[in-house]
Amino acid sequence: DTAVSQTPKYLVTQMGNDKSIKCEQNLGHDTMYWYKQDSKKFLKIMFSYNNKELIINETVPNRFSPKSPDKAHLNLHINSLELGDSAVYFCASSQDDGGYTEAFFGQGTRLTVV
Amino acid sequence: AQSVSQHNHHVILSEAASLELGCNYSYGGTVNLFWYVQYPGQHLQLLLKYFSGDPLVKGIKGFEAEFIKSKFSFNLRKPSVQWSDTAEYFCAVRPSGTYKYIFGTGTRLKVLA
Repeated sequence: DTAVSQTPKYLVTQMGNDKSIKCEQNLGHDTMYWYKQDSKKFLKIMFSYNNKELIINETVPNRFSPKSPDKAHLNLHINSLELGDSAVYFCASSQDDGGYTEAFFGQGTRLTVV
Repeated sequence: AQSVSQHNHHVILSEAASLELGCNYSYGGTVNLFWYVQYPGQHLQLLLKYFSGDPLVKGIKGFEAEFIKSKFSFNLRKPSVQWSDTAEYFCAVRPSGTYKYIFGTGTRLKVLA
């Protein structure tokens, strides 16, 4: 059973398109995240939701919009894709216990904008 | 601003060599500390974590880390590396009472057979 699953695993698209990445966790966690990993492997937090409420919104272009329909799902929609958006996007989840548990990561979505 | 530094960006070792990867963080309050590993093409997996108590923590696959509060450090060690340890290693910090996991820039380890 996959704990945190993302779809799709690979996404190749043209500049200017709009795309979505979906994430689901079956761990019963309260908090979900989106991280971006660039070509140098640097992991940067983008967004976090706790019980469907947005709690972290880092400096991210407003072309990126997260949506959490329920606490088990967190989707990422990207409008007007740019070349610089090419990266691996990781979804993660954690329990809401003050930080005493680790974050669990999905397999990642490799987005390539051409 | 809170940050995590990993000083070794690339490390190349021969099998059976000992490993130590440095991690320092900048945050004055209580933190929870983690080391993750990312094998090529895979997602991040937890190696070990520290919350309180014994500052020397043991994780999976023979890894251990030592928390030194006075140095704001959480270095990862392994006495004898294997070829299968070739991966990217990330140190992460989560300040207590927050939701944010802050990652270091990662260390790429290559172990030569």
